[in-house]
Amino acid sequence: GAVVSQHPSWVICKSGTSVKIECRSLDFQATTMFWYRQFPKQSLMLMATSNEGSKATYEQGVEKDKFLINHASLTLSTLTVTSAHPEDSSFYICSVRGTGGRARGEQYFGPGTRLTVT
Amino acid sequence: QKEVEQNSGPLSVPEGAIASLNCTYSDRGSQSFFWYRQYSGKSPELIMFIYSNGDKEDGRFTAQLNKASQYVSLLIRDSQPSDSATYLCAAHNNDMRFGAGTRLTVKP
Repeated sequence: GAVVSQHPSWVICKSGTSVKIECRSLDFQATTMFWYRQFPKQSLMLMATSNEGSKATYEQGVEKDKFLINHASLTLSTLTVTSAHPEDSSFYICSVRGTGGRARGEQYFGPGTRLTVT
Repeated sequence: QKEVEQNSGPLSVPEGAIASLNCTYSDRGSQSFFWYRQYSGKSPELIMFIYSNGDKEDGRFTAQLNKASQYVSLLIRDSQPSDSATYLCAAHNNDMRFGAGTRLTVKP
């Protein structure tokens, strides 16, 4: 499978500040990356699909001006939570789509970033 | 109606028993199906995929697919306490759709 890293693994910030989370595909070039959010004891929620070299596609209800996504290269996508508030505290996870060598569409997840906004 | 449905559980089985996790999907165009395991506080980990009707075995895990019934299952034989986690089912047809997950507890 694919190796995906995220940085930072956890972050605490004050309300009103912005936080950038990096997602890197370490062993292959990922044209598509996905950003998910997961609140405690809840299911994964897809926030947006990040496409290299083009604008991200956001899911309904996700504010694109608040959650800025940049997929500037085939190995790096970033999610910036702007003007963070306590309700943005969550577990943010990125994933990359496999190249389909074994199955069509499989996704591999990064280790996640736990954001706490105080 | 949710696109991928799972019983949220919790499902509790004794150590050594067979754990059976079930999933149904609504999109008949789905081609590939995946099972992920997610430990508390961690991100999901892909454990199995299946795209043909029937059974697929990998160690203690067996995935079963019935496209006519739009049903996918995961059997875990000889369940261990370390198998205690939330198991996510996913179906892929252009996009990946995840179920909400079933929480499994294996009691020693």
